[in-house]
Amino acid sequence: KNEVEQSPQNLTAQEGEFITINCSYSVGISALHWLQQHPGGGIVSLFMLSSGKKKHGRLIATINIQEKHSSLHITASHPRDSAVYICAVTSSNDMRFGAGTRLTVKP
Amino acid sequence: DGGITQSPKYLFRKEGQNVTLSCEQNLNHDAMYWYRQDPGQGLRLIYYSQIVNDFQKGDIAEGYSVSREKKESFPLTVTSAQKNPTAFYLCASSHTTGNYGYTFGSGTRLTVV
Repeated sequence: KNEVEQSPQNLTAQEGEFITINCSYSVGISALHWLQQHPGGGIVSLFMLSSGKKKHGRLIATINIQEKHSSLHITASHPRDSAVYICAVTSSNDMRFGAGTRLTVKP
Repeated sequence: DGGITQSPKYLFRKEGQNVTLSCEQNLNHDAMYWYRQDPGQGLRLIYYSQIVNDFQKGDIAEGYSVSREKKESFPLTVTSAQKNPTAFYLCASSHTTGNYGYTFGSGTRLTVV
């Protein structure tokens, strides 16, 4: 079993829909990261959080430390949100990655 | 602007040849990392370095080698011993103290034919 599990693996939505991507982890962590990978391959950090909730524009990330679970929400989704979203956790000096969720938002 | 530069973006090599992927950062980060990404899998750690002239094997180091002669540079060599070298390779860097995130490069897609 992977240390970081994401669901769903693939997600297709219509423009404007509210989107949720989930992440569960099985190790102790110092922080959880949500990353975005566009088709070109480069990765951008969206959020780093260790408790509670963070919001940036239409993106919201939450984490429940007791349940070892995090969610990434996208409100009013847009085709430009289409990308692979990756959940990752850091513990000690290491970062462990989920397999990613491929999101496609159709106009 | 500070960041990580990986080059080249696409690389083709014949089977049996060694190939070196470049990674340079100007963020003054102490730690640097190399990851391999395959379809449907999370990034897997190949090697990492937390200080100049020192590096450690990650989960899938076999068939790879690295050097860290300068703080800014962490090149990865894919040797002929790597059984399945075709993949997307990502370099990252971070501070070693505090709870900082990683900065990623744009990746190199290596195809061995």
